Amino acid sequence: KAGVTQTPRYLIKTRGQQVTLSCSPISGHRSVSWYQQTPGQGLQFLFEYFSETQRNKGNFPGRFSGRQFSNSRSEMNVSTLELGDSALYLCASSVWTSGDFPYEQYFGPGTRLTVT
Amino acid sequence: GDSVTQMEGPVTLSEEAFLTINCTYTATGYPSLFWYVQYPGEGLQLLLKATKADDKGSNKGFEATYRKETTSFHLEKGSVQVSDSAVYFCALSRDTGNQFYFGTGTSLTVIP
Repeated sequence: KAGVTQTPRYLIKTRGQQVTLSCSPISGHRSVSWYQQTPGQGLQFLFEYFSETQRNKGNFPGRFSGRQFSNSRSEMNVSTLELGDSALYLCASSVWTSGDFPYEQYFGPGTRLTVT
Repeated sequence: GDSVTQMEGPVTLSEEAFLTINCTYTATGYPSLFWYVQYPGEGLQLLLKATKADDKGSNKGFEATYRKETTSFHLEKGSVQVSDSAVYFCALSRDTGNQFYFGTGTSLTVIP
């Protein structure tokens, strides 16, 4: 079974631009979560989508948004990029069926975003 | 709010040394606890988990016991190998949702 894939793997943008990152979850996984990883802040939760609906949201400004498609693929968008948005953006998918918690999260390799 | 605190790194050990990485948590209710590992250039992989008090998670020689009385989930391994060099993350998740809270990570380097 293929793992979580993220595209692109590396991205360089300039301040003020916007960017869209893509995540394809493991087949059959309906929940997709996004995290921002930086050396200073560690892993911070951005949001989680399930069945095309945002279920949970972390403490990030409205410039960060996302969506999920009917095939569970997800995109996140960052508008008006700032230097501080430079980070590794990780996507994680998990199967979500009624029953036992916790649901293990399977992580993709991440997209390295550099804002100049 | 929920949070995880883990020991600062980096940690450098010689091969076959004993490893302990401390992790404590703050959460309401009864969270599930996890250790994830991140190898260079890769995403995180689940190493082990525990879902209730006194549970012991184990995998690849690593162990961690869910201690509710001390709100801790310390990671241990009796004899580390060079291949264990990675960044280790402690995390929690509550059964009210699929949101994970991660510690800041502890970098481990094992030297031959």
